[in-house]
Amino acid sequence: KNQVEQSPQSLIILEGKNCTLQCNYTVSPFSNLRWYKQDTGRGPVSLTIMTFSENTKSNGRYTATLDADTKQSSLHITASQLSDSASYICVVIAGGTSYGKLTFGQGTILTVHP
Amino acid sequence: EPEVTQTPSHQVTQMGQEVILRCVPISNHLYFYWYRQILGQKVEFLVSFYNNEISEKSEIFDDQFSVERPDGSNFTLKIRSTKLEDSAMYFCASRDRGNNYGYTFGSGTRLTVV
Repeated sequence: KNQVEQSPQSLIILEGKNCTLQCNYTVSPFSNLRWYKQDTGRGPVSLTIMTFSENTKSNGRYTATLDADTKQSSLHITASQLSDSASYICVVIAGGTSYGKLTFGQGTILTVHP
Repeated sequence: EPEVTQTPSHQVTQMGQEVILRCVPISNHLYFYWYRQILGQKVEFLVSFYNNEISEKSEIFDDQFSVERPDGSNFTLKIRSTKLEDSAMYFCASRDRGNNYGYTFGSGTRLTVV
């Protein structure tokens, strides 16, 4: 069964600090992996998109890594801001006959304190 | 930037009533999806739709659910006889042809069944 597991479930950090969120997946066949930010009561917003051949991708203060061999990804947030408080969701998109179907992780709830 | 628009943002309905959730996907997108998120749980796939027919559906998407693209711009999710456990955020998403880079979510409709 296709699954996406994230850790930690929740994280509290001080403003200005860095943090790293983890994602392990078993989705097969793999097409690409995305990290989304979801504010409470809102739809997910894409932060990064990574294909099989990409190891690292940055988007401002967000840097995602992907190890397709071990099926692991991480999202690193540098110099955190109060507005970074949200749920961060790892999403894996399947290939093959399930092309385009998303499998979501449960999310990591990040809280940034002043 | 193009958006996926969902209406209403919040709907309250009595158990047993029919509801229709509406979505306007991005105009040149061809693949359409409905997802739901029960409070505190991960986002779950419901159904995918392409070329005026369902391409894949999950176990959740039983006979109570149906989807339609009635006029070439709207994409609707109908729940025939709502149950308390249908209370959730429902997200519509659309993407363009060929790859998954154009995957965009709407802001969601919060459905509350009382």
